Amino acid sequence: GAGVSQTPSNKVTEKGKYVELRCDPISGHTALYWYRQSLGQGPEFLIYFQGTGAADDSGLPNDRFFAVRPEGSVSTLKIQRTERGDSAVYLCASSLRGGGTYNEQFFGPGTRLTVL
Amino acid sequence: AQTVTQSQPEMSVQEAETVTLSCTYDTSESDYYLFWYKQPPSRQMILVIRQEAYKQQNATENRFSVNFQKAAKSFSLKISDSQLGDAAMYFCAYKFQGAQKLVFGQGTRLTINP
Repeated sequence: GAGVSQTPSNKVTEKGKYVELRCDPISGHTALYWYRQSLGQGPEFLIYFQGTGAADDSGLPNDRFFAVRPEGSVSTLKIQRTERGDSAVYLCASSLRGGGTYNEQFFGPGTRLTVL
Repeated sequence: AQTVTQSQPEMSVQEAETVTLSCTYDTSESDYYLFWYKQPPSRQMILVIRQEAYKQQNATENRFSVNFQKAAKSFSLKISDSQLGDAAMYFCAYKFQGAQKLVFGQGTRLTINP
């Protein structure tokens, strides 16, 4: 079956603009995660959805970042008033379930965001 | 807060040889998982191997094995019979059993020399 897909693959924007990044999880996966990977670093957690609700948004760096998952499938990460420091690869992952037990997170190929 | 440290920014190995990538972590929890992920230039993170902290036996997946030292908080990855396709960034990651997020190290770039 299809894996996690993310669009666009690359996004170039200007400082101050608004951007939306989309994630399509694996069909049937109820848990969805967003991570941010800056150049030369490991991914950093941003937010976790269980179904439609954001169960943990402790990784969002500030109120310019917001994510939604209105129907419990596709998710959109929204960044307002972009800054050059927002330039990074944004990775999305999904797992069959959330919860305390182990559920493998399957990653998408990421969206490379460049803020000029 | 949990942290994961990979002290080797880059490693290289001859094809068919064995290489070991190092990882240490810091946590006060007793129930957790540890992972090694591979990230090729395509950017897609691929799970290589995982270890449950309550298991004393080291995990093995074909040519990949780990050396899990819980008391020392060390979790190294050994790749045997290295192949050209093993070239990638490798990330060590930690997950507390009660949480959802993965905590990643800084990564090690592995080069395979033919």
